[in-house]
Amino acid sequence: EVQLVESGGGLVQPGRSRRLSCAASGFIFGDYAMHWVRQGPGKGLEWVSGISWNGGSIDYADSVKGRFTISRDNAKKSLYLEMNNLRAEDTALYYCVKDEDTAMVGRFEDWGQGTLVTVSS
Amino acid sequence: SSELTQDPAVSVALGQTVRITCQGDNLRTYYASWYQQKPGQAPVLVIYSRNIRPSGIPDRFSGSRSGNTASLTITGAQADDEADYYCLSRDSSHNHLGWVFGGGTKLTVL
Repeated sequence: EVQLVESGGGLVQPGRSRRLSCAASGFIFGDYAMHWVRQGPGKGLEWVSGISWNGGSIDYADSVKGRFTISRDNAKKSLYLEMNNLRAEDTALYYCVKDEDTAMVGRFEDWGQGTLVTVSS
Repeated sequence: SSELTQDPAVSVALGQTVRITCQGDNLRTYYASWYQQKPGQAPVLVIYSRNIRPSGIPDRFSGSRSGNTASLTITGAQADDEADYYCLSRDSSHNHLGWVFGGGTKLTVL
């Protein structure tokens, strides 16, 4: 059974940084692209960033480009999101999502339960 | 970035058929996938590619595309289908690597 467990959320002041982690199990982590998707309170889904199986392809939403960095450690079966210069509008539940190919193909069959990031002073 | 437009809310009588649409220029090139989200839960993939249902998704869910519009059709809607539905497709402004969700449609089953 695929399991994706996010951690690292919490209350953070505007302008500060936070690192999210996602621990994967139940599948060969290094065989799949991964993504971060977020959902603000009472809002819709927003794709944040994606990374191919080996990190060779990476992309970001315009709203986070230059502030967020996605990375992965296949040996540790873990996905990360380094978030810098956080803003109030980054407040959201952040989901770790598994794609269904080594490349990003947009087939999001497996989601974690999310970790909540609240940006507030 | 590209945009995908969905109606904010749609309603359907129990047992009837409903179509949820998603419009965007990038849909002329790329298929949409569809996600169902119930309150307090993570989204669930219901349709991907041309019209493929993941294992465990009832066959009353189907997908189609015409021009710049992708559609999710529920034939014989059930009370359990009441949820928010989101489309997802490639963001063609990102050199075909990024992704964009539609704004979501809240489906009410009457």
